[in-house]
Amino acid sequence: AQSVTQLDSQVPVFEEAPVELRCNYSSSVSVYLFWYVQYPNQGLQLLLKYLSGSTLVKGINGFEAEFNKSQTSFHLRKPSVHISDTAEYFCAVSEPQGGSEKLVFGKGTKLTVNP
Amino acid sequence: KAGVTQTPRYLIKTRGQQVTLSCSPISGHRSVSWYQQTPGQGLQFLFEYFSETQRNKGNFPGRFSGRQFSNSRSEMNVSTLELGDSALYLCASSFGLRAREIRGYTFGSGTRLTVV
Repeated sequence: AQSVTQLDSQVPVFEEAPVELRCNYSSSVSVYLFWYVQYPNQGLQLLLKYLSGSTLVKGINGFEAEFNKSQTSFHLRKPSVHISDTAEYFCAVSEPQGGSEKLVFGKGTKLTVNP
Repeated sequence: KAGVTQTPRYLIKTRGQQVTLSCSPISGHRSVSWYQQTPGQGLQFLFEYFSETQRNKGNFPGRFSGRQFSNSRSEMNVSTLELGDSALYLCASSFGLRAREIRGYTFGSGTRLTVV
C-alpha cells in the first residue's frame, strides 16, 4: 500500500513571504500526485495535479509543485503568500484498487499566514 | 454547473443509533467516493460506487455501508454508531474510474457527524 508523508504539520509564515510545503510518497512505480486545499468548514479543492509530462506543475492561486521521482517528492511552493492562503493543505497519491483508483492522503499541513 | 451537494451539513446522533448521509454528484458524473476525515486518522477512503455498483471498499467495519441510485446519487449508512465515528464525511464525484478521470474528482463540503 502506498503512503504519503507530509513532513510539517504546521507552517507559520508572514504575508508576502515564500512558502514550501513538503510531501514525500512511498511508491516506486508510476504515480499520479495531487495537492488539495481545505478551508475551514469546507471540502477539498484541487490545487494542482501531476499525471505525466513536465515535472513542474502549475496550479491555481499561484501555487506550483515539482515532481521529483528520484527523491519521491512532490513539494508545493508559492513565491509570495497572502492572508487568504491560510488553510490546510493535503498531498495525495492515487493508488490502483479493484480496477479503479482511490486517493491516499497525507496527514495535512496547516499553513498560517500572519500579517 | 452545480457542485457536489452533501446533506445534511451537520448531524448529532447518540451512540447506538444509525445515520444516513446523502451525496448528489455533479451532473454527468457517475462515480461517487466517500472519505472519512478525523483529526487522528486524517482522510481515509471508505468506498466508491460507479453505475450503482460498489467498486472499491476501504478498511472499515461492516457497520459502514453505502449504495448508489440510478441517478448517481449516493447514500452512506452507519449503523450502531460509536463515539469514534464522529468525523467529517466527504463525498467526491468524478466522471469515470480511470486515473485520468481523477482530474474531475470534485469534493462536496461534507457532513459533520457528532456522536454523543
